[in-house]
Amino acid sequence: GAVVSQHPSWVICKSGTSVKIECRSLDFQATTMFWYRQFPKQSLMLMATSNEGSKATYEQGVEKDKFLINHASLTLSTLTVTSAHPEDSSFYICSARDLVAFEQYFGPGTRLTVT
Amino acid sequence: GNSVTQMEGPVTLSEEAFLTINCTYTATGYPSLFWYVQYPGEGLQLLLKATKADDKGSNKGFEATYRKETTSFHLEKGSVQVSDSAVYFCALSDRNMRFGAGTRLTVKP
Repeated sequence: GAVVSQHPSWVICKSGTSVKIECRSLDFQATTMFWYRQFPKQSLMLMATSNEGSKATYEQGVEKDKFLINHASLTLSTLTVTSAHPEDSSFYICSARDLVAFEQYFGPGTRLTVT
Repeated sequence: GNSVTQMEGPVTLSEEAFLTINCTYTATGYPSLFWYVQYPGEGLQLLLKATKADDKGSNKGFEATYRKETTSFHLEKGSVQVSDSAVYFCALSDRNMRFGAGTRLTVKP
């Protein structure tokens, strides 16, 4: 089946630094990738939708200058959390929509802890 | 806009008990409906889906039927196991995937 990977799976960083999270579709091409944030014991909140080769579309309330999204190829999207603060600590999950099958597949998530 | 509402948990059952997790949706058009499962510390895994009215999705003993007349997609399993302990999310897909709040299921031996 289709596989989406995320790297790293877990990261700790200091307040004020930036962290990059990668999302890859391993065996299919994805023109559209999605980034979600999940707080403990809560549902997934869509942060942004990224389309290959164009700017991401951010959901209301999500700071685009803080959460930089790049979707440079059909198999890779990155989320950079800039100037991270403890309140950015969360579980970040990406998903990718298969170009052909139009199915959406989810990555295993990245747990970010900002100290 | 389109949305999903699922029963709040947590739900605690004994092994071999019958499981129902209710899910209702509000949508214009005919979205696809999904159930995802999230095990502790992991991402989401697709459990089952249905793409049109009266479709029944099934997997690993779980079932859900797309009911247009009641706008529902309830998840059921006849006999749960300890390994089914997880958080279950109902979702619908229009332009984006929209998730319910999640229901935490704990199955005790």
